[in-house]
Amino acid sequence: GAVVSQHPSRVICKSGTSVKIECRSLDFQATTMFWYRQFPKKSLMLMATSNEGSKATYEQGVEKDKFLINHASLTLSTLTVTSAHPEDSSFYICSAEPSGRGGTGELFFGEGSRLTVL
Amino acid sequence: AQTVTQSQPEMSVQEAETVTLSCTYDTSESDYYLFWYKQPPSRQMILVIRQEAYKQQNATENRFSVNFQKAAKSFSLKISDSQLGDAAMYFCAYSLYGGATNKLIFGTGTLLAVQP
Repeated sequence: GAVVSQHPSRVICKSGTSVKIECRSLDFQATTMFWYRQFPKKSLMLMATSNEGSKATYEQGVEKDKFLINHASLTLSTLTVTSAHPEDSSFYICSAEPSGRGGTGELFFGEGSRLTVL
Repeated sequence: AQTVTQSQPEMSVQEAETVTLSCTYDTSESDYYLFWYKQPPSRQMILVIRQEAYKQQNATENRFSVNFQKAAKSFSLKISDSQLGDAAMYFCAYSLYGGATNKLIFGTGTLLAVQP
């Protein structure tokens, strides 16, 4: 099956620093990727839809300047948590939709990235 | 707006027994997809089973089957012959058929424990 890789899987940073998380589709192109945030034993909360070549679409309540998303190519989307604070500590998950497959339900998930802000 | 509800925060089943996880949803659309995803302790989301709303036949994948009741907007997951490896968080999810993207709406999850 299709593979989506997230990196890093775990990251610890100091408060006030920025952290970048990468999401790569390894064997398919993905015009659209999604970023989710998950708190312990909770559901996945959609943060934003990442679109290759255009601005990301953020869900209501998600700070655009705090969570910068860049979809640099058809296989890479990055999420940068700027000026991270302890409340940003969470599990971040990406998923990738194969190009041209919108509306088909096809979606592949990365392994997730655990961010801990000290 | 579409919503997905899982009313069972936690469930427990004996190994080799059968368990059913509940899911209800709300949508005004007629064509959509419904999914069950499994999230083990490793946190990687794994697709368990998928149902197209236009199909009347319930989807089946080995020990996993669904009971899809479109009129009632119900989509339950049955796990037969439960195994220790089935222990995980299970999420029910919805996606619009033919939409611009495959954006998923997740339920709150059911934590399944399997007792040896």
